[in-house]
Amino acid sequence: QKEVEQDPGPLSVPEGAIVSLNCTYSNSAFQYFMWYRQYSRKGPELLMYTYSSGNKEDGRFTAQVDKSSKYISLFIRDSQPSDSATYLCAMTGGGNKLTFGTGTQLKVEL
Amino acid sequence: EAGVAQSPRYKIIEKRQSVAFWCNPISGHATLYWYQQILGQGPKLLIQFQNNGVVDDSQLPKDRFSAERLKGVDSTLKIQPAKLEDSAVYLCASSFRGYEQYFGPGTRLTVT
Repeated sequence: QKEVEQDPGPLSVPEGAIVSLNCTYSNSAFQYFMWYRQYSRKGPELLMYTYSSGNKEDGRFTAQVDKSSKYISLFIRDSQPSDSATYLCAMTGGGNKLTFGTGTQLKVEL
Repeated sequence: EAGVAQSPRYKIIEKRQSVAFWCNPISGHATLYWYQQILGQGPKLLIQFQNNGVVDDSQLPKDRFSAERLKGVDSTLKIQPAKLEDSAVYLCASSFRGYEQYFGPGTRLTVT
């Protein structure tokens, strides 16, 4: 079993839809949870990070962490074609070593 | 603020040849990472430097991969000799705080 599981997609939604991206994990030592966005042929770009459980909002993006269920989510409201990318979850126990999911490919269609 | 710089962006070599990648981190970032990202997978950490010392190289195939970070700034990752399974994107990242890592554009390596 992988430490971090993420549905690879692809996920296709119409413009304006609410998108839900999810990861599950098995290591209870993880405390910092990140979401990266990766456009084709580019490096990952840090979108948001959350410490421990709870919600964090940044514009159209909301990150949720449920440590009791070992489940994290990223919600994108009013999705735009420019949101089309691969979304990677990543997590760490407090050190610098990040464990990544495989990424979910998202396509937002006009 | 300039981002993480990497070169070359693309490289095609034959198996058993050698190749080197270069990375210049964000100014002031003491920690530098090299990741390997195989198509359809998330990045996998190869090696982590704190200044010019190695913190974690547990997943670096040391029989063929080597890395150095002289003077605690730029870093070079080398593969010698390359295998077909080394075809991947090699990402360099840097951080001031460990959980906020900033990635470069990557070097796409194809081994034929």
